[in-house]
Formats: sequence, C-alpha cells, structure tokens
Amino acid sequence: GAGVSQSPSNKVTEKGKDVELRCDPISGHTALYWYRQSLGQGLEFLIYFQGNSAPDKSGLPSDRFSAERTGGSVSTLTIQRTQQEDSAVYLCASSLVAGSPKNTEAFFGQGTRLTVV
Amino acid sequence: DQQVKQNSPSLSVQEGRISILNCDYTNSMFDYFLWYKKYPAEGPTFLISISSIKDKNEDGRFTVFLNKSAKHLSLHIVPSQPGDSAVYFCAARDTGGYQKVTFGTGTKLQVIP
Repeated sequence: GAGVSQSPSNKVTEKGKDVELRCDPISGHTALYWYRQSLGQGLEFLIYFQGNSAPDKSGLPSDRFSAERTGGSVSTLTIQRTQQEDSAVYLCASSLVAGSPKNTEAFFGQGTRLTVV
Repeated sequence: DQQVKQNSPSLSVQEGRISILNCDYTNSMFDYFLWYKKYPAEGPTFLISISSIKDKNEDGRFTVFLNKSAKHLSLHIVPSQPGDSAVYFCAARDTGGYQKVTFGTGTKLQVIP
C-alpha cells in the first residue's frame, strides 16, 4: 500500500481479554517500530524489528505484551489479559534501513486507539 | 534510560514570533537526527532532518540546529503560525548495531493567534 496501515483503528475491550493489533508496513521497509502514547504522555518505545527479528524488545512493559513479524512484512502486537493502564494509542512505523541516512525516515500509521474498560 | 530527551513538555508562542523546541541526547553514536510533527488523532509525520556532519539545515520556516559538542539540537519555526500547533518529536538514529531510531517524548507547541 501507499502508507503504513494499522487495524483496527479503534478497539474497546474488557479488562482481562486478549487483543491483537495489526500493522502493515510500507512494502520493502525492513525496519518496523511499535510505540504507544498514553493520554497526555509522550511517545513510548515498545519494540523494534529489523526484518523478522526483534533486536530491541526493551520497551515492552510486561510479559503480557508480545509482538511478531512474519515474512518481513506484517506485524502483530498482542496484549494478553488487558489492564486499564494498557489504554493508549498504539502507533506503528516503518522505514528503510539501508544506504543513505535519508532512508532512516520513519513513516507512521494512524494508530490504534485501545480502550480497556 | 532516555537517550533522547525533550525536557519541555509544552510551549506557548504568539503568532508571528519564533518557536524554539529543544532536544538533548546522550548517545554519541547517533549520526542522523529528525523532527516529527503530530496532530491529534493522526500519526506523526516527518518534518525535517539533519546529518551529524552538518550544524544547520533549513527548510522554509523550519530550521534545525545541531551542536554535537553539547549533544543538543533545536528546531526553530519562524514565523510561527496557528497551524503549527502540534506535538513535536525529536528522533535520532544509532549508527551502531541495527541503526534503530529513538524518539523523544515530545513537546506540545501552542501558537496563539
């Protein structure tokens, strides 16, 4: 597609349920990032993929959070046993990571707004 | 360990005046720096960037300055316009390892008409 696509755009879930968030990066982008932004807070790094591997998972807040990327393309972020503090906008971004530094520019999706009630 | 820091969570500026947004970093392996702009309910969009071999890059009303010795960069917007009201994120690329890009926590700019 033309840009980074995230689905769903909005998700309301009950506390304790599992949720899956999906990110379709720009075709050919090898780097993929997940961030989240809680209400009134900044951009919080969660995980970084280079191809299918995740060299940096340091931002995942707990073992309830996991992410995978298959075929060097689509990524899913899974939150198990959701808690109210998981409510946030989850943003995905992708970039080329090769050649000139200009390829570093990350393109963001519109985000998934997750509300845990 | 916050390697990219934006210490001012918010900034208010009168229309027509200069807006200066600041960013500090700690990792000397960062070689490329970017600024992103985010409107509510939208994803961040790329605004301007600078390589570590330069100290200034200008694009219209936006100029980014880099002071490597101080590990500090700033974004200047002049003249500021109400449409510039948004959250601005500073980001930096690590030339080592997997060339990961690290973002700051953002500064909310409000331009008052």
